[in-house]
Amino acid sequence: SQKIEQNSEALNIQEGKTATLTCNYTNYSPAYLQWYRQDPGRGPVFLLLIRENEKEKRKERLKVTFDTTLKQSLFHITASQPADSATYLCALDPDSGGYQKVTFGIGTKLQVIP
Amino acid sequence: NAGVTQTPKFRVLKTGQSMTLLCAQDMNHEYMYWYRQDPGMGLRLIHYSVGEGTTAKGEVPDGYNVSRLKKQNFLLGLESAAPSQTSVYFCASSSRQGDYGYTFGSGTRLTVV
Repeated sequence: SQKIEQNSEALNIQEGKTATLTCNYTNYSPAYLQWYRQDPGRGPVFLLLIRENEKEKRKERLKVTFDTTLKQSLFHITASQPADSATYLCALDPDSGGYQKVTFGIGTKLQVIP
Repeated sequence: NAGVTQTPKFRVLKTGQSMTLLCAQDMNHEYMYWYRQDPGMGLRLIHYSVGEGTTAKGEVPDGYNVSRLKKQNFLLGLESAAPSQTSVYFCASSSRQGDYGYTFGSGTRLTVV
C-alpha cells in the first residue's frame, strides 16, 4: 500500500542553524510534492511545491529537494528562528485526472530553541 | 480576501445527532475537499468535489455526506453522529492551474459524546 513517512519525533534545533526535515514514500509515483506548515489549532498553510522533474526549489529561507530515485524529499529551513517552530507536513500529489488529490504525511514537529 | 471560511469552529454533539459543517471560499477555486485530522493519523480525505454539482468519495467517506450546490460552498453533513467522528475537520480548496497547493480553512473541532 502507499505510504508516506515523516519523522514522527520532534526535531529540536538551535536558532540560526539549518533545520532539515525528511519525507520518504513507498509504492507511490507522485507528480508533485508539496510542503505545508501547521501551527497548533490552525489549518495547514501551503509553503512550496516541487515537480517530479525538478531536483530543487527555493523560496526565501526554504529549500526543498525531490529525489524520485530515493523516493525522498528533504525540506530545509536556513537560519532558523523561533517563529519557524511548527509542524511541517509533506504531501504527495499523483496529478490524477487533471485535478489535485493529495495524500498527506503525519508531519514532523520542529522546535527552534532561542 | 477571506480565503476559506469554516463554520462553526467548535461543536459538541450527542451520539445520534446530526449537523452540517459549512465551508465557503472566495477564490473561485474549482476543487474543494473535506479532511479530518486525528492524532497520529494525519489528514484523511473524506469527500471532494471537482466542480459545482459534483462530489466524490475519498478515503474515509462512511457516515458523511456532502453537497456542492454553489461553486463557492461545500457542505459536510453528519446524519447520525458517532464518537468515532470526534475529530478536527478541515475544508480546503485548490485551483486547476498553477503551482499552488491547497488553501485550508481554520478547522472545526467536533466532539461527539
